[in-house]
Amino acid sequence: GESVGLHLPTLSVQEGDNSIINCAYSNSASDYFIWYKQESGKGPQFIIDIRSNMDKRQGQRVTVLLNKTVKHLSLQIAATQPGDSAVYFCAENNPPGGYQKVTFGIGTKLQVIP
Amino acid sequence: NAGVTQTPKFRVLKTGQSMTLLCAQDMNHEYMYWYRQDPGMGLRLIHYSVGEGTTAKGEVPDGYNVSRLKKQNFLLGLESTAPSQTSVYFCASSLLTGKNSPLHFGNGTRLTVT
Repeated sequence: GESVGLHLPTLSVQEGDNSIINCAYSNSASDYFIWYKQESGKGPQFIIDIRSNMDKRQGQRVTVLLNKTVKHLSLQIAATQPGDSAVYFCAENNPPGGYQKVTFGIGTKLQVIP
Repeated sequence: NAGVTQTPKFRVLKTGQSMTLLCAQDMNHEYMYWYRQDPGMGLRLIHYSVGEGTTAKGEVPDGYNVSRLKKQNFLLGLESTAPSQTSVYFCASSLLTGKNSPLHFGNGTRLTVT
């Protein structure tokens, strides 16, 4: 999962296995959450999003789970492939009002072992 | 359809020099943003724009200025740079407010201030 610090948490997964990346968000009033993937030398890329009125959303090979009770978000990647190696981070929006601030986590590095 | 394009990709400056980072998007998005990414920290919002001719301060605006003269372009200016501005700068855009829709990022400008 994500944590504050200089070194990214790392998750090593065997190719073909499922990956689960966790994120604890900070604001109980946040109502929109996004997962991004960032490959080395590139900008973050949108993967999947979920609104607070849902607890699960599925995409192609990815599933996001939202547990509002404990303010926890997870990203599940099925049948992990070498191309999934990247840093993954979650983002939460701010409560209504205020400026356009979306809070990003520092990320989890996913390493896929061939 | 190029998405979000940033120039330059890399730059090295000496303390006190200035530069302008360019961002262009071809998705007709209203909202545009400038973020910086530093090790151990999540993306932090510098400035943003909710439409042509508008700009607003984000989380870390000091030492930066922006302009949005055309809808598709968002410029980030750094005057009298300091080593603390060494970072990777990402431009992003979104169709709707970033608090309710995903951001589309460019591939970043890597700036080193010596």
